[in-house]
Amino acid sequence: SYELTQPSSVSVSPGQTARITCSGDVLAKKYGRWFQQKPGQAPVLVIYNDSERPSGIPERFSGSSSGTTVTLTISGAQVEDEADYYCYSAADNYRVFGGGTKLTVL
Amino acid sequence: QVQLVQSGSELKKPGASVKVSCKASGYSFSTYAMNWVRQAPGQGLEWMGWVNTNTGNPTYAQDFTGRFVFSLDTSVSTAYLQISSLKAEDTAVYYCARASGDGMDVWGQGTTVTVSS
Repeated sequence: SYELTQPSSVSVSPGQTARITCSGDVLAKKYGRWFQQKPGQAPVLVIYNDSERPSGIPERFSGSSSGTTVTLTISGAQVEDEADYYCYSAADNYRVFGGGTKLTVL
Repeated sequence: QVQLVQSGSELKKPGASVKVSCKASGYSFSTYAMNWVRQAPGQGLEWMGWVNTNTGNPTYAQDFTGRFVFSLDTSVSTAYLQISSLKAEDTAVYYCARASGDGMDVWGQGTTVTVSS
């Protein structure tokens, strides 16, 4: 099986840049994706194929990849960006989520 | 618009079974596979597996074999998750999520299953 490792929490002040990393061997060969989940809501895709942004997702969300690590960057984080963020990847017939990172914007 | 609507919350006793539905609209159901994802209280997302909506062939993640069954009714564009011999540790929110390539792009609102005596 595959594993993706994220920090459990990240904290920034409003307007600062938040960076959340996700590491795993599968990311050297496969794309990473990022989901945002707010309390009581279903996850929402914010980044796919390492760095692509779905329509409707603010430009402050961006993604990058290097080796076995993908990074979600929120430039000028807003209070409404406070949420849990999960990385995700897929290999062969298997899918895996990271453990999730709680982003606090305070 | 593309939408996945899941059935309502369930309260079940240990040993019982539950069937969660996920009705798709706004797209051709058989064109996109369907994933199932579990989220236990206060925990992260766990991929349970997926079902090929064209052939009905399911693929189960390692921790979700035996008591978990994915099925379809293509005539009503609906995917189902059935869990048998329920245990307290099955208490969770269960999500369906449309497959987009090997990703997931549209999610249902989630169905809470509570297992308690």
